Order: sequence, then structure tokens, then C-alpha cells
Amino acid sequence: DQQVKQNSPSLSVQEGRISILNCDYTNSMFDYFLWYKKYPAEGPTFLISISSIKDKNEDGRFTVFLNKSAKHLSLHIVPSQPGDSAVYFCAASPSNDYKLSFGAGTTVTVRA
Amino acid sequence: DADVTQTPRNRITKTGKRIMLECSQTKGHDRMYWYRQDPGLGLRLIYYSFDVKDINKGEISDGYSVSRQAQAKFSLSLESAIPNQTALYFCATRGQKNQPQHFGDGTRLSIL
Repeated sequence: DQQVKQNSPSLSVQEGRISILNCDYTNSMFDYFLWYKKYPAEGPTFLISISSIKDKNEDGRFTVFLNKSAKHLSLHIVPSQPGDSAVYFCAASPSNDYKLSFGAGTTVTVRA
Repeated sequence: DADVTQTPRNRITKTGKRIMLECSQTKGHDRMYWYRQDPGLGLRLIYYSFDVKDINKGEISDGYSVSRQAQAKFSLSLESAIPNQTALYFCATRGQKNQPQHFGDGTRLSIL
């Protein structure tokens, strides 16, 4: 049973607008969360992370929000650019564990 | 040079053949992982190793074996390949807790 779920397989957004990607988790022991970005023919690359002691973390155009009570996190990309077109994976782990659980991914397409 | 290198990048083989996928890293990380990616399922953990003498099964280890030949090398073997092992395989490394995993560019494996 998947412990990390990304219920939207795809998202299409116009260049310059906001992209919002969602992720839900079921394991209450998760307290470290990451987003990875993947281009075709490449491996996933780390984008941004957040620990459970925070509810927001920002890095340039990328912001991750964490709602622990709802077991939900989201990634905001503002403004979206054509180079952001990729597959985005949400991942999570307990802080005392070196293993990650991944969601199925959301394919983002940024339209010019 | 890539920090995490996977060979081969692509492989087509027949049912019943033995296959080895190799991974080497220059990051100096103790922890190494093998994942497979299937459409709609994200990345699933096959095996992981926390040092040369420590090998652990992941969530889908059946049909696979691994060898940690050195801190920098972690190989994945399919002893007798079957078509449902057709997938994209990724190797990853990780340093300290609450640090992201770093991925290679993957091996696309097709079993006919």
C-alpha cells in the first residue's frame, strides 16, 4: 500500500502562472519530506525539502508547504517556466530512517 | 563527471538470462540504494546497503540480489530475468540523515 500519494498524474500550466502540486501521506512517523524533479533520460534530482518542525520552506521560485494535521504537502512554483516541464516526485521518511517512500509522480507541462 | 554512475544505460535481453546492473559513486557516501520505476507507481525500493557488510531487502526484493563490492560500488543482479522486470532502474546514494538521496541517470532494462 502506497504511503505517499500524488493523486494528480499530470498538470498543465501557462508560462508565468503558478504551478501547485499536491502530495498526501498516511504514515504519521514521516517527518522529513522532499520533492524531486525528473527530466526524461535523467535521474531524479533533489529540488526542495522540509522537516516537520516547519510548515513552509522557500527556495527561489519553489515553496513547499506542510500541513501535518492533514498529512498533506504541496509544492508551489511561481512563476512557472518552460524548463520546469518535468515529472515531480514527492518523497517522505521518518527522521531516524534512511529509506524514502515515493509518490507516483506528477508530470508538469508548462505551455508558452 | 557524474557523482553516481550507472552502467549500462540501456539493455535489452531475453527471458531467463542473468543480468547485472552496476552502480559506482564518487560522493563518499556509505548508504546506497536500488530502485525501480514503473509507470504510475513511482520509485520502489529493491535493496539498500548502509555499508559494505550491511545489505537489506526493500519492498520488492524478490527476483533480485545485490552485491556491495566496496563503499563506492553496489551492483544489482537479476538471476533469471522475466518480462515483468522490464523497468527503469535507479541507483542512489545518501550521506547524513535528513539529507537528500542522489540518483544516477538510470538503466532502462527490457526483457523480451
